Amino acid sequence: EVQLLESGGGLVQPGGSLRLSCAASGFTFSSYAMSWVRQAPGRGLEWVSAITGSGGSTYYSDSVKGRFTISRDNSKNALYLQMNSLRAEDTAGYYCAKHRGDYRFEFDIWGQGTMVTVSS
Amino acid sequence: DIQMTQSPSSVSASVGDRVTITCRASQGISRWLAWYQQKAGKAPKLLIYDASSLQRGVPSRFSGSGSGTDFTLTISSLQPEDVATYYCQQPDSFPLTFGGGTKVQIK
Repeated sequence: EVQLLESGGGLVQPGGSLRLSCAASGFTFSSYAMSWVRQAPGRGLEWVSAITGSGGSTYYSDSVKGRFTISRDNSKNALYLQMNSLRAEDTAGYYCAKHRGDYRFEFDIWGQGTMVTVSS
Repeated sequence: DIQMTQSPSSVSASVGDRVTITCRASQGISRWLAWYQQKAGKAPKLLIYDASSLQRGVPSRFSGSGSGTDFTLTISSLQPEDVATYYCQQPDSFPLTFGGGTKVQIK
């Protein structure tokens, strides 16, 4: 069964850092691009960042560029999101999402999400 | 950036009714359009990709159409389990963007 399991969310102060992880199983991880998508409480979906299967290309939304870093370890079937300089507006549920292919940019499998709360 | 605009923002219909949701892109995206269903407290689920291709396991009452800038998601006969918020998304270019969502309820 294809599965994604996020972890690492929690409460952090403004300006702080957090690292999210996503454990993948049930598919050939290195063959697929992956993304992080977030959803603020009661709001819509916002794409955050993507990485190709090899890890050779990364993409970011303007709202997180320069503060967040996406990475992956294909030997561990794991996706990461390093979040620095966190702001209140980064408060959201963060989903790990598998792309339909390495250069396909819609999402066919989603994790259950992990909540990040940025507050003093 | 490509802006995605959905309408209506909410719709209430009876069981068995036909429900149509529209999505407009701020520039042409060919047929690069996906639709998702998100039930309360759950992760989104891919329904349709490439504007009209049904994802495996999705009931055939869901269909998609359109190309260029205007797209439609249709539920041919609304069922109680279809209560959810529906989002369109353009996978044409970065940054990837979603529509604002359409909440579907039973009247």
